[in-house]
Amino acid sequence: TQLLEQSPQFLSIQEGENLTVYCNSSSVFSSLQWYRQEPGEGPVLLVTVVTGGEVKKLKRLTFQFGDARKDSSLHITAAQPGDTGLYLCAGGPNAGNMLTFGGGTRLMVKP
Amino acid sequence: NAGVTQTPKFQVLKTGQSMTLQCAQDMNHEYMSWYRQDPGMGLRLIHYSVGAGITDQGEVPNGYNVSRSTTEDFPLRLLSAAPSQTSVYFCASRSPTGWGYNSPLHFGNGTRLTVT
Repeated sequence: TQLLEQSPQFLSIQEGENLTVYCNSSSVFSSLQWYRQEPGEGPVLLVTVVTGGEVKKLKRLTFQFGDARKDSSLHITAAQPGDTGLYLCAGGPNAGNMLTFGGGTRLMVKP
Repeated sequence: NAGVTQTPKFQVLKTGQSMTLQCAQDMNHEYMSWYRQDPGMGLRLIHYSVGAGITDQGEVPNGYNVSRSTTEDFPLRLLSAAPSQTSVYFCASRSPTGWGYNSPLHFGNGTRLTVT
């Protein structure tokens, strides 16, 4: 069974601070997706990284896939209250066409 | 487009009762799936389908049944509800099937189920 561990589980910061969320595994994944989920809604895809070492930027969010394709990070620069939510990483799909989700990082950005 | 629609939004069941969670998508996606979300455990796959008439088990299938008679609909049945099935359930679809790892999962807004 492939496992993805996210850290930290909870993060509460002030507006304007920077933060990094980590997604780690002992398994190799063919791709890594990051989703954001707001209360009462389903997760929404932010980005997919496919190549080891790949870096993608989405405005103030920077996503990196580890060289060995076992880990990924999400860095937010100058966080804003609108960034508040649950961030989920998902790896795969595996041979069974299934995505493996991490446990999530719940971010709160205070004004 | 409505995307992925789940009903009901909330449901309370007594232990032993059965019910069906409905999921419909209007994007003509071949791949559909059901996840449950519990605090700190992320999303765990219950069942999935790669097309009409084809279903398969995910990570936590026990106590749940699915069927896929049309491309649009993928209902999830709880056969005899247990308190351990208290959770938030999400239906998600994706296109294409196979190794469409660059295509996102499109999620519904979830059904919050409580079993007493």
